[in-house]
Amino acid sequence: GESVGLHLPTLSVQEGDNSIINCAYSNSASDYFIWYKQESGKGPQFIIDIRSNMDKRQGQRVTVLLNKTVKHLSLQIAATQPGDSAVYFCAEIGPNQGGKLIFGQGTELSVKP
Amino acid sequence: ETGVTQTPRHLVMGMTNKKSLKCEQHLGHNAMYWYKQSAKKPLELMFVYSLEERVENNSVPSRFSPECPNSSHLFLHLHTLQPEDSALYLCASSQDMGDRMGGNTIYFGEGSWLTVV
Repeated sequence: GESVGLHLPTLSVQEGDNSIINCAYSNSASDYFIWYKQESGKGPQFIIDIRSNMDKRQGQRVTVLLNKTVKHLSLQIAATQPGDSAVYFCAEIGPNQGGKLIFGQGTELSVKP
Repeated sequence: ETGVTQTPRHLVMGMTNKKSLKCEQHLGHNAMYWYKQSAKKPLELMFVYSLEERVENNSVPSRFSPECPNSSHLFLHLHTLQPEDSALYLCASSQDMGDRMGGNTIYFGEGSWLTVV
């Protein structure tokens, strides 16, 4: 069945470095993708989204890249800060799914001072 | 402040108790959701309401009973739960739940931590 998954369950980076969190999806028909950040003890927080007619979208310190050829999604965080430490989830919506998101397992990002 | 408020934030209940989780969204959205988040697992969709009608029940046991009295409020009634039901229960909302791109960003509350003893 369709699924969204993350390549690495944990990622540790030095403060100030750039972080790259990866996500693979299996449904080539998925047309909308979202990255969420979940800090300890809190609910998931929307970070950035991208539609399938785009391959790159930038926000504040974050960039999402979409490679439809290999069904790969990534989240890049520039100048990673301690406050970026959290679990990051990618999620997809595809046609015929009633608008419901399918979530991956999540990658835990740890930022070392 | 996400616009989705959940109470209580923490709940400990015995297996014979009856309790309820409450969710309120202040975003004017038409769709509301209950998700379950257990350790080391992806978020699991439990229920979906659209315009106060239940449109999805993802094979959730009957000991979980949702209620949506209006488009701004969503409840999850709990009774005779099991210890394995201990988890973070997340409420969420979205503008609608159609298939139109861009209309389905889901906004989450902070969650209710449930412990069943």
